[in-house]
Parts: sequence; structure tokens; C-alpha cells
Amino acid sequence: EAQVTQNPRYLITVTGKKLTVTCSQNMNHEYMSWYRQDPGLGLRQIYYSMNVEVTDKGDVPEGYKVSRKEKRNFPLILESPSPNQTSLYFCASSLADRGYGYTFGSGTRLTVV
Amino acid sequence: DQQVKQNSPSLSVQEGRISILNCDYTNSMFDYFLWYKKYPAEGPTFLISISSIKDKNEDGRFTVFLNKSAKHLSLHIVPSQPGDSAVYFCAGSGTYKYIFGTGTRLKVLA
Repeated sequence: EAQVTQNPRYLITVTGKKLTVTCSQNMNHEYMSWYRQDPGLGLRQIYYSMNVEVTDKGDVPEGYKVSRKEKRNFPLILESPSPNQTSLYFCASSLADRGYGYTFGSGTRLTVV
Repeated sequence: DQQVKQNSPSLSVQEGRISILNCDYTNSMFDYFLWYKKYPAEGPTFLISISSIKDKNEDGRFTVFLNKSAKHLSLHIVPSQPGDSAVYFCAGSGTYKYIFGTGTRLKVLA
């Protein structure tokens, strides 16, 4: 089954404790992206990757890092999480950067206390 | 600067009638527009897209209309079904960037 898999689904952590949210896709998509969803703000792009070893900032990159060492994986790293990073996070992949719909993962609900 | 706006947070429609969801944008550089549907506890699902050089695209019960002069697009669902109850996001895409609206919650009443 074609899918984007995120882990974990739910995570509660403390301020400053480094964490990684994993994302993997099995569709051989070149384009991957991370979004966060907050009430009243919709989906905002954090980082995106056009291919292996090629990443760039989205609209809200502060406090996040990403890497793309393999085509299928695109982990999101929070080096020192803060409460304002409490949010619902989605990873997504696409065949190309425009026109083609994203396939989204099921989301990771992160709470930073 | 909100480049993609969905000004109606919610909409209720009777089953069998038409649902019209609206979206406005400010960025003239978008070359595709897309609609997504989102159920609770799931990721958004791609519904339909339209190229900026077209004014209409149809897929089954879903039709998207684009009015470039007004910088406005709309999603029509006919006939509406209870299973269509969800949050709908519109998005504009340009080079490597998708900008999403804030979503409209559609409730289809049986």
C-alpha cells in the first residue's frame, strides 16, 4: 500500500529534550515536506526537500532541522523543543513540487511541557 | 501575509444539495491550486487540482472553478453526502512551495 508513515503518533516531552519525528514513504517520491497545523492558522510549511541531500526552509523553520540522506526518509528534528512547538505535525510526499497532490502521513501530535 | 484565504470557517449543507467552498489568493505566481479533505485524526487527502491556465476541472462529484481576474477559486460538491463532512483546505503551489488556507469545516446534514 502506497503510504507515508510517521512515528510516533503522539508524543509528550519536556522543554529542551531533543527529539526526532520519523517520516518514511514507499512511493519513490522525490519531493517531501513537513507541515505543522495549528488552530486558525491552517497548515504551515516547515521544511521541504526536492531530492536526496537537497533541503530548504519553508515558512516556519525556526527551531527545526531536517535531513534527507535517503530518498524514502525525511526526519524532523527538534534540537531543543519549546512549548510553542506544541502542534500537530504532518509529513507529506509528492511526485513533483507542483500540480501533483501530496500524500500525507497520519500526523504526530506533539506536546512540549 | 496570508496568501491563501478561506474566509468561511464552517458551512452546513443538506444531503443531496450543492456544497460550495470558497478560497481567495493574493499570490499571482501560483501555477496550480489544489483542494484537500481532512477527517479528524487523519492526514489531509488530495481531492482535485487545477492548473492556473484553466478555469474549470471536474472529477466525479467534485468541480473546481478558477477565476484568475478575481483571484478566487471554489470547490463544488454535487450532490453532497454525509461522508463529505470534513475540513477542506485549499492550497496554491509554486516552485517547491505549497501555501495552504486555514480550512473550512463542511457539515452535510442527513
